[in-house]
Amino acid sequence: DAKTTQPTSMDCAEGRAANLPCNHSTISGNEYVYWYRQIHSQGPQYIIHGLKNNETNEMASLIITEDRKSSTLILPHATLRDTAVYYCIVRVAIANSKLTFGKGITLSVRP
Amino acid sequence: GAVVSQHPSWVICKSGTSVKIECRSLDFQATTMFWYRQFPKQSLMLMATSNEGSKATYEQGVEKDKFLINHASLTLSTLTVTSAHPEDSSFYICSAPTPWGLAGGGTDTQYFGPGTRLTVL
Repeated sequence: DAKTTQPTSMDCAEGRAANLPCNHSTISGNEYVYWYRQIHSQGPQYIIHGLKNNETNEMASLIITEDRKSSTLILPHATLRDTAVYYCIVRVAIANSKLTFGKGITLSVRP
Repeated sequence: GAVVSQHPSWVICKSGTSVKIECRSLDFQATTMFWYRQFPKQSLMLMATSNEGSKATYEQGVEKDKFLINHASLTLSTLTVTSAHPEDSSFYICSAPTPWGLAGGGTDTQYFGPGTRLTVL
Protein backbone atom coordinates (compact mmCIF):
# COMPACT_ATOMS: atom_id res chain seq x y z
CA ASP A 1 0.00 0.00 0.00
CA ALA A 2 1.13 3.55 -0.66
CA LYS A 3 2.62 5.46 2.25
CA THR A 4 1.06 8.61 3.67
CA THR A 5 2.67 11.66 5.24
CA GLN A 6 0.91 13.79 7.84
CA PRO A 7 2.07 16.66 10.05
CA THR A 8 2.76 15.60 13.60
CA SER A 9 0.23 17.87 15.23
CA MET A 10 -2.04 20.83 14.81
CA ASP A 11 -4.58 22.71 16.83
CA CYS A 12 -7.69 24.70 16.16
CA ALA A 13 -10.24 26.71 18.08
CA GLU A 14 -13.52 25.16 19.11
CA GLY A 15 -16.26 25.93 16.63
CA ARG A 16 -13.87 26.55 13.77
CA ALA A 17 -13.17 24.24 10.89
CA ALA A 18 -10.25 21.85 11.27
CA ASN A 19 -8.44 21.03 8.02
CA LEU A 20 -6.17 18.02 8.31
CA PRO A 21 -3.80 17.48 5.37
CA CYS A 22 -2.39 14.21 4.09
CA ASN A 23 0.10 13.49 1.32
CA HIS A 24 -0.02 10.19 -0.58
CA SER A 25 2.02 10.93 -3.69
CA THR A 26 2.57 7.26 -4.59
CA ILE A 27 -1.09 6.26 -4.46
CA SER A 28 -2.22 3.79 -7.10
CA GLY A 29 -5.40 3.88 -9.13
CA ASN A 30 -7.02 1.10 -7.12
CA GLU A 31 -6.24 2.53 -3.70
CA TYR A 32 -8.72 4.34 -1.51
CA VAL A 33 -7.98 7.04 1.04
CA TYR A 34 -9.36 6.25 4.50
CA TRP A 35 -9.49 8.40 7.60
CA TYR A 36 -9.78 7.08 11.12
CA ARG A 37 -9.37 8.76 14.46
CA GLN A 38 -8.41 7.45 17.85
CA ILE A 39 -9.43 9.11 21.04
CA HIS A 40 -7.19 8.29 23.95
CA SER A 41 -7.46 4.68 25.16
CA GLN A 42 -10.17 3.77 22.66
CA GLY A 43 -10.26 1.78 19.46
CA PRO A 44 -9.99 3.72 16.18
CA GLN A 45 -13.19 5.19 14.82
CA TYR A 46 -13.95 5.17 11.10
CA ILE A 47 -14.58 8.64 9.71
CA ILE A 48 -14.74 8.59 5.93
CA HIS A 49 -13.13 7.19 2.81
CA GLY A 50 -12.95 8.05 -0.87
CA LEU A 51 -11.39 7.10 -4.19
CA LYS A 52 -11.24 10.27 -6.28
CA ASN A 53 -14.41 12.24 -5.71
CA ASN A 54 -14.96 14.46 -2.72
CA GLU A 55 -17.03 12.82 -0.02
CA THR A 56 -19.13 14.13 2.84
CA ASN A 57 -20.91 12.44 5.69
CA GLU A 58 -22.28 13.46 9.05
CA MET A 59 -18.82 13.56 10.60
CA ALA A 60 -16.59 15.18 8.01
CA SER A 61 -15.73 16.02 4.44
CA LEU A 62 -12.91 14.51 2.43
CA ILE A 63 -11.36 16.55 -0.34
CA ILE A 64 -9.08 14.64 -2.72
CA THR A 65 -6.97 16.55 -5.22
CA GLU A 66 -7.47 15.84 -8.88
CA ASP A 67 -4.12 14.06 -9.16
CA ARG A 68 -5.01 12.10 -6.01
CA LYS A 69 -1.61 12.79 -4.48
CA SER A 70 -3.02 14.53 -1.45
CA SER A 71 -6.22 14.95 0.49
CA THR A 72 -7.72 17.03 3.28
CA LEU A 73 -10.09 15.94 5.99
CA ILE A 74 -12.37 18.73 7.09
CA LEU A 75 -14.19 18.78 10.41
CA PRO A 76 -16.55 21.70 9.79
CA HIS A 77 -17.16 22.76 13.38
CA ALA A 78 -14.57 21.27 15.70
CA THR A 79 -15.54 20.53 19.29
CA LEU A 80 -13.42 19.56 22.27
CA ARG A 81 -14.50 15.94 21.73
CA ASP A 82 -12.75 15.99 18.35
CA THR A 83 -9.37 16.09 20.09
CA ALA A 84 -7.74 12.85 18.92
CA VAL A 85 -5.09 11.29 16.72
CA TYR A 86 -6.24 11.23 13.10
CA TYR A 87 -4.88 8.62 10.73
CA CYS A 88 -4.85 8.98 6.96
CA ILE A 89 -4.44 5.53 5.39
CA VAL A 90 -4.23 4.40 1.80
CA ARG A 91 -5.64 0.95 1.20
CA VAL A 92 -5.98 -1.19 -1.89
CA ALA A 93 -9.55 -1.95 -2.94
CA ILE A 94 -9.44 -5.68 -2.35
CA ALA A 95 -11.89 -7.35 0.00
CA ASN A 96 -10.49 -7.89 3.48
CA SER A 97 -7.21 -6.15 2.73
CA LYS A 98 -5.43 -4.81 5.77
CA LEU A 99 -4.95 -1.27 7.06
CA THR A 100 -1.45 -0.02 7.82
CA PHE A 101 -1.35 2.74 10.40
CA GLY A 102 1.26 5.48 10.39
CA LYS A 103 1.85 7.90 13.23
CA GLY A 104 -1.13 10.09 12.41
CA ILE A 105 -1.69 13.70 13.30
CA THR A 106 -2.65 14.82 16.79
CA LEU A 107 -5.44 17.36 16.64
CA SER A 108 -5.94 19.48 19.74
CA VAL A 109 -9.12 21.54 19.87
CA ARG A 110 -8.80 24.45 22.26
CA PRO A 111 -11.72 26.18 23.99
CA GLY B 1 -21.87 2.26 11.46
CA ALA B 2 -21.21 -1.39 12.11
CA VAL B 3 -20.43 -2.48 15.66
CA VAL B 4 -17.51 -4.55 16.86
CA SER B 5 -17.22 -5.52 20.51
CA GLN B 6 -14.34 -6.85 22.58
CA HIS B 7 -14.27 -8.66 25.87
CA PRO B 8 -12.87 -8.05 28.35
CA SER B 9 -12.16 -4.32 28.19
CA TRP B 10 -9.28 -4.75 30.60
CA VAL B 11 -7.51 -7.65 32.28
CA ILE B 12 -4.74 -8.03 34.81
CA CYS B 13 -2.97 -11.35 35.07
CA LYS B 14 0.08 -12.93 36.61
CA SER B 15 3.16 -13.71 34.59
CA GLY B 16 3.00 -17.18 33.05
CA THR B 17 -0.78 -17.36 32.75
CA SER B 18 -2.82 -17.29 29.56
CA VAL B 19 -5.40 -14.68 28.66
CA LYS B 20 -8.17 -14.93 26.07
CA ILE B 21 -9.63 -11.88 24.35
CA GLU B 22 -12.84 -12.09 22.32
CA CYS B 23 -13.77 -9.98 19.31
CA ARG B 24 -17.31 -10.02 17.97
CA SER B 25 -18.98 -8.40 14.99
CA LEU B 26 -22.44 -7.64 16.32
CA ASP B 27 -24.49 -6.76 13.25
CA PHE B 28 -22.59 -8.24 10.33
CA GLN B 29 -20.61 -11.32 9.44
CA ALA B 30 -16.88 -11.20 8.95
CA THR B 31 -14.87 -13.95 7.31
CA THR B 32 -11.75 -11.99 8.23
CA MET B 33 -10.82 -10.10 11.35
CA PHE B 34 -7.62 -8.33 12.27
CA TRP B 35 -5.72 -8.13 15.54
CA TYR B 36 -3.57 -5.14 16.42
CA ARG B 37 -1.35 -4.24 19.34
CA GLN B 38 -0.59 -0.73 20.51
CA PHE B 39 2.10 0.23 23.00
CA PRO B 40 1.94 3.59 24.82
CA LYS B 41 2.46 6.60 22.57
CA GLN B 42 2.84 4.38 19.52
CA SER B 43 0.65 3.62 16.56
CA LEU B 44 -1.31 0.44 15.97
CA MET B 45 0.74 -2.50 14.73
CA LEU B 46 -1.00 -5.32 12.90
CA MET B 47 -0.29 -8.64 14.55
CA ALA B 48 -2.30 -11.10 12.53
CA THR B 49 -5.20 -11.70 10.19
CA SER B 50 -7.84 -14.08 11.47
CA ASN B 51 -9.61 -16.18 8.86
CA GLU B 52 -12.84 -18.02 9.54
CA GLY B 53 -12.37 -21.74 9.09
CA SER B 54 -8.66 -21.60 8.36
CA LYS B 55 -5.36 -20.70 9.96
CA ALA B 56 -4.51 -17.16 10.90
CA THR B 57 -1.84 -15.24 9.02
CA TYR B 58 0.77 -13.64 11.25
CA GLU B 59 2.85 -10.56 10.54
CA GLN B 60 6.60 -10.86 10.54
CA GLY B 61 8.03 -11.02 14.02
CA VAL B 62 4.80 -12.11 15.73
CA GLU B 63 5.08 -15.50 17.44
CA LYS B 64 2.18 -17.65 16.33
CA ASP B 65 2.64 -20.09 19.20
CA LYS B 66 2.40 -17.30 21.72
CA PHE B 67 -0.56 -15.47 20.21
CA LEU B 68 -3.12 -18.10 19.36
CA ILE B 69 -5.97 -17.02 17.12
CA ASN B 70 -9.20 -18.90 16.56
CA HIS B 71 -11.91 -17.68 14.21
CA ALA B 72 -14.59 -20.19 15.04
CA SER B 73 -17.59 -18.45 13.49
CA LEU B 74 -18.45 -15.59 11.18
CA THR B 75 -18.95 -13.25 14.14
CA LEU B 76 -16.28 -14.32 16.64
CA SER B 77 -12.50 -14.32 16.71
CA THR B 78 -10.42 -14.95 19.81
CA LEU B 79 -6.83 -14.04 20.64
CA THR B 80 -5.13 -16.01 23.39
CA VAL B 81 -1.91 -14.67 24.81
CA THR B 82 -0.16 -17.75 26.15
CA SER B 83 2.35 -17.68 29.00
CA ALA B 84 2.01 -13.93 29.26
CA HIS B 85 4.95 -11.86 30.45
CA PRO B 86 5.16 -8.19 31.45
CA GLU B 87 6.44 -7.24 28.00
CA ASP B 88 3.11 -8.47 26.58
CA SER B 89 1.32 -5.73 28.48
CA SER B 90 -0.33 -3.63 25.81
CA PHE B 91 -3.58 -2.44 24.28
CA TYR B 92 -5.00 -5.12 22.00
CA ILE B 93 -7.53 -4.06 19.36
CA CYS B 94 -9.46 -6.07 16.81
CA SER B 95 -11.19 -4.97 13.65
CA ALA B 96 -13.59 -6.50 11.19
CA PRO B 97 -14.38 -5.43 7.63
CA THR B 98 -17.99 -5.14 6.60
CA PRO B 99 -19.12 -7.14 3.60
CA TRP B 100 -18.14 -5.54 0.31
CA GLY B 101 -20.29 -2.54 -0.49
CA LEU B 102 -22.36 -2.72 2.70
CA ALA B 103 -20.97 0.50 4.12
CA GLY B 104 -21.14 2.28 0.77
CA GLY B 105 -18.34 3.84 -1.22
CA GLY B 106 -17.73 0.83 -3.44
CA THR B 107 -15.52 -1.08 -1.03
CA ASP B 108 -15.51 -2.58 2.42
CA THR B 109 -14.83 -0.69 5.62
CA GLN B 110 -13.07 -1.91 8.72
CA TYR B 111 -14.65 -1.21 12.08
CA PHE B 112 -12.70 -1.48 15.28
CA GLY B 113 -13.48 -2.81 18.69
CA PRO B 114 -12.99 -0.68 21.79
CA GLY B 115 -9.78 -2.46 22.72
CA THR B 116 -8.57 -4.61 25.60
CA ARG B 117 -5.99 -3.32 28.04
CA LEU B 118 -3.75 -6.20 29.18
CA THR B 119 -1.49 -5.77 32.16
CA VAL B 120 0.81 -8.64 33.09
CA LEU B 121 2.28 -8.49 36.56
